Amino acid sequence: AQSVTQPDIHITVSEGASLELRCNYSYGATPYLFWYVQSPGQGLQLLLKYFSGDTLVQGIKGFEAEFKRSQSSFNLRKPSVHWSDAAEYFCAVVTGTASKLTFGTGTRLQVTL
Amino acid sequence: DGGITQSPKYLFRKEGQNVTLSCEQNLNHDAMYWYRQDPGQGLRLIYYSQIVNDFQKGDIAEGYSVSREKKESFPLTVTSAQKNPTAFYLCASSSEFYGYTFGSGTRLTVV
Repeated sequence: AQSVTQPDIHITVSEGASLELRCNYSYGATPYLFWYVQSPGQGLQLLLKYFSGDTLVQGIKGFEAEFKRSQSSFNLRKPSVHWSDAAEYFCAVVTGTASKLTFGTGTRLQVTL
Repeated sequence: DGGITQSPKYLFRKEGQNVTLSCEQNLNHDAMYWYRQDPGQGLRLIYYSQIVNDFQKGDIAEGYSVSREKKESFPLTVTSAQKNPTAFYLCASSSEFYGYTFGSGTRLTVV
């Protein structure tokens, strides 16, 4: 079965430091991969997506992610974190023909000043 | 602006009561989805619909029902058979594979 693993439940970084959130997927075919961000009590906002082509994907808010097929990974990065980036981040993969999204369990990011 | 509207934002349910969560989209998307979110468990798919008058069960459909009479609307009913309904419910829509658009959610609490 398709699955998405986000091994880090909670990460704390200092403002201005770099960030990397890990995501590993299990899916037989070429995956469609997504990163979403969620502020408390809110819906999910799409940060970036990968369908094909260049394996380094640029998104909104200065985020980027790199697709590595050999490692089944799609890690999210940001060179310099801002306090407003504190939120929960979800990695997701489209599975099957019905465009269903399967989500990881999320990583909560805390930013210290 | 196009988007998805979920209402109400907060909902309280008494034991044994059915409640219906509203989801409306004006994005002209064919597919719509309902997810349930619990702390530490990510989002789990309840039901989805790819076209009007058709829908399929997701991973945790027991105790829930849906309808899709119009392209724009995909209401979710939480029935009394759902023993642990307290959660955050998110509705989404999509067109082809170009990402999902999510509503702002409904927080349901059993009182």
